[in-house]
Amino acid sequence: NAGVTQTPKFQVLKTGQSMTLQCAQDMNHEYMSWYRQDPGMGLRLIHYSVGAGITDQGEVPNGYNVSRSTTEDFPLRLLSAAPSQTSVYFCASSSGRPQETQYFGPGTRLLVL
Amino acid sequence: TQLLEQSPQFLSIQEGENLTVYCNSSSVFSSLQWYRQEPGEGPVLLVTVVTGGEVKKLKRLTFQFGDARKDSSLHITAAQPGDTGLYLCVRCGSARQLTFGSGTQLTVLP
Repeated sequence: NAGVTQTPKFQVLKTGQSMTLQCAQDMNHEYMSWYRQDPGMGLRLIHYSVGAGITDQGEVPNGYNVSRSTTEDFPLRLLSAAPSQTSVYFCASSSGRPQETQYFGPGTRLLVL
Repeated sequence: TQLLEQSPQFLSIQEGENLTVYCNSSSVFSSLQWYRQEPGEGPVLLVTVVTGGEVKKLKRLTFQFGDARKDSSLHITAAQPGDTGLYLCVRCGSARQLTFGSGTQLTVLP
């Protein structure tokens, strides 16, 4: 049982490049979310999904796209990277019931030059 | 935006000392979680508190939920270097309604 996995661990991009951050979970969780973590700002929700085929925007969605074709996978796409997107990105999954545990992946550290 | 304020922002103590960190909000929590995040890893759940006045213990960690459900504290007794990490409080509900505090970065020196 791997839990939540994320790839890559590190990435350096040039401004304007695109890329996809991968996230997968093997716990059959309906809820999956993407957060970014910046110094002094905690974790902020980018996009989330309540099940396959259903996604919605979080607090800071601009510049990011998501899709959820399967229960297991929830990729995050950066369409045209900007230096402001330099951050640590975390994927999380849960059963979706209130107060349930959020299981986080190990994170992807992204630097946009 | 419902803000969660955590204090102190940074705390550095010697092994064996006690400490308390705080999480405050201007509005009532339906429930609250504490997570710990170690360097290079994602946050890991420590506890969920639901009832005003609730106290939960996890070994040397004691979590308290305020009577009015607008604040919470985490007390660590006899801190150890393994307690080092970022402690995050989270207002919880559905995934859409999670609000993270900015965290307290704790360093326990041997």
